[in-house]
Amino acid sequence: GQNIDQPTEMTATEGAIVQINCTYQTSGFNGLFWYQQHAGEAPTFLSYNVLDGLEEKGRFSSFLSRSKGYSYLLLKELQMKDSASYLCAPGGGSYIPTFGRGTSLIVHP
Amino acid sequence: NAGVTQTPKFRILKIGQSMTLQCAQDMNHNYMYWYRQDPGMGLKLIYYSVGAGITDKGEVPNGYNVSRSTTEDFPLRLELAAPSQTSVYFCASSSRTRIDEQYFGPGTRLTVT
Repeated sequence: GQNIDQPTEMTATEGAIVQINCTYQTSGFNGLFWYQQHAGEAPTFLSYNVLDGLEEKGRFSSFLSRSKGYSYLLLKELQMKDSASYLCAPGGGSYIPTFGRGTSLIVHP
Repeated sequence: NAGVTQTPKFRILKIGQSMTLQCAQDMNHNYMYWYRQDPGMGLKLIYYSVGAGITDKGEVPNGYNVSRSTTEDFPLRLELAAPSQTSVYFCASSSRTRIDEQYFGPGTRLTVT
């Protein structure tokens, strides 16, 4: 089975850096996805980590530690448009990701 | 490319009615998925398909049925709608490999009263 834990809500200031943590327990782990979902919209892909370490993609970076069952999403130079829900989704034995409840990020001026 | 399209966008059903949620993709993706998302909750997998003619149950399949007669289309059928099926339904697709990003449709907001 899958057990995914991430904070329900976080707030941050425009221009700042925020780190959204995710811990997971899953059988047959094969990688972890992060998706962004704006209110009332569909999720969109942000990153996929299969190896330990940090993957950087512009203002967004994602980190994975397989041995600790831990990942984080790092958002730099926050903008108002980054206000959204961020979904942690580890892939299990079937390779299909299981989605956590998501972290609602509120960016204020 | 239109990507993943879903119809309808909104629907209100009475208890016991049936309906089909349509999903189509034009990216020649083999993998297609149906999720439901309740307020404040993550996406729950209902059914998925790895190719035309092949479907399998996800985490919450009860009350739903699917078919995959073509690569492009993956309709979701609700039989005997219940209030517990009030949710937002997302269809998604991914390419040939399972370890691949999913492309989501815009969703169907369904209310059962």
